[in-house]
Amino acid sequence: DAGVTQSPTHLIKTRGQQVTLRCSPISGHKSVSWYQQVLGQGPQFIFQYYEKEERGRGNFPDRFSARQFPNYSSELNVNALLLGDSALYLCASSSVGYGLAGENEQFFGPGTRLTVL
Amino acid sequence: AQKITQTQPGMFVQEKEAVTLDCTYDTSDPSYGLFWYKQPSSGEMIFLIYQGSYDQQNATEGRYSLNFQKARKSANLVISASQLGDSAMYFCAMREGPDNYGQNFVFGPGTRLSVLP
Repeated sequence: DAGVTQSPTHLIKTRGQQVTLRCSPISGHKSVSWYQQVLGQGPQFIFQYYEKEERGRGNFPDRFSARQFPNYSSELNVNALLLGDSALYLCASSSVGYGLAGENEQFFGPGTRLTVL
Repeated sequence: AQKITQTQPGMFVQEKEAVTLDCTYDTSDPSYGLFWYKQPSSGEMIFLIYQGSYDQQNATEGRYSLNFQKARKSANLVISASQLGDSAMYFCAMREGPDNYGQNFVFGPGTRLSVLP
């Protein structure tokens, strides 16, 4: 079975531009979460989407937005890019449930490395 | 306040030896989950082990075990019989609440483990 896929793998943009990152979850997973990982730090939660609705949002400005499609894939959009947006953007998918370890596990994609010049 | 603390920025261990990576957490929610992830230089986050707050026994997965001390709010990862391929960043993470809705994983800053031949 295919894991979580993300595209593109690398991206270079200049300040002020807009970027769209894409994620396809594991088949059967309806929840997608996005994380930003700045070099040398742990991932920071940006969004969670479940059944096309936003279920959680981290402490990020409104320049960051996302959506989930009927096939459960997701896009993360970042407008008016700043140098500080340079990071590895990770997408994770999971099933949603209670208690059991397998249902709580998030599966991460390989990430998109964004460089803002 | 930091919700997840990993006090060891870097650790060295000799091949075939055991190593303990520290993690302490802070939450007032009685229901939570604790996770360990491995991140090799390639960037992908690899799930290692999960411990639920109501689990009576410490979690084990192959060479990985989690030393869960609830009263001390610690969830240390023990890797037995270290291998060269274990060299990577290791992140402790916490999910607050009993399920994945509005999921908000909080990651610690990570520990870089280097296994020496």
